[in-house]
Amino acid sequence: GAGVSQSPRYKVAKRGQDVALRCDPISGHVSLFWYQQALGQGPEFLTYFQNEAQLDKSGLPSDRFFAERPEGSVSTLKIQRTQQEDSAVYLCASSLEYPIRGMETQYFGPGTRLLVL
Amino acid sequence: KQEVTQIPAALSVPEGENLVLNCSFTDSAIYNLQWFRQDPGKGLTSLLLIQSSQREQTSGRLNASLDKSSGRSTLYIAASQPGDSATYLCAVVYGNNRLAFGKGNQVVVIP
Repeated sequence: GAGVSQSPRYKVAKRGQDVALRCDPISGHVSLFWYQQALGQGPEFLTYFQNEAQLDKSGLPSDRFFAERPEGSVSTLKIQRTQQEDSAVYLCASSLEYPIRGMETQYFGPGTRLLVL
Repeated sequence: KQEVTQIPAALSVPEGENLVLNCSFTDSAIYNLQWFRQDPGKGLTSLLLIQSSQREQTSGRLNASLDKSSGRSTLYIAASQPGDSATYLCAVVYGNNRLAFGKGNQVVVIP
């Protein structure tokens, strides 16, 4: 079946511009995660949704970052007034079950590569 | 805060040799540990998931062990092939299902 998809795959933004990154999780997956991966680093957790509820946003680096999943499926990560340090790959992942069981594989999308000039 | 370390950061091996990749984590209160593969410009592909109650998992030429008490995992890749060239990421699931990643082992298999 279809995996996690993300769009756009590449985004170039001028500093100060707002951007919106989209994630389509695997159909029926309850949990959705956003990660930020800087060059040469491992992904860093940003935020987590269980259906439409944003249960953990402790990894968002500033109040310029905002994520939503209004209908419990597609999610959008929005970055306002982009800065050069926001340049990174933004990865989305989904998993089928509720997290407390701790046994579910997270399936990752291809990522959106954001470059802020 | 959970810290995940992967050693070595990069390695090159001749084709046919076995690969040994190491991962350590600071907090043993984990739900599970996953090994991922990442190819340049692409997302992450899950290779193996080891639950906290398990000691190892195997899939084909891949075997991953977990010593939770000492905070260590090792990924073994037998008889390496050029197609195994990639970055391998170790991640632990803890707390509210957060994944904490290491920086990865960048592997090159030389034909």
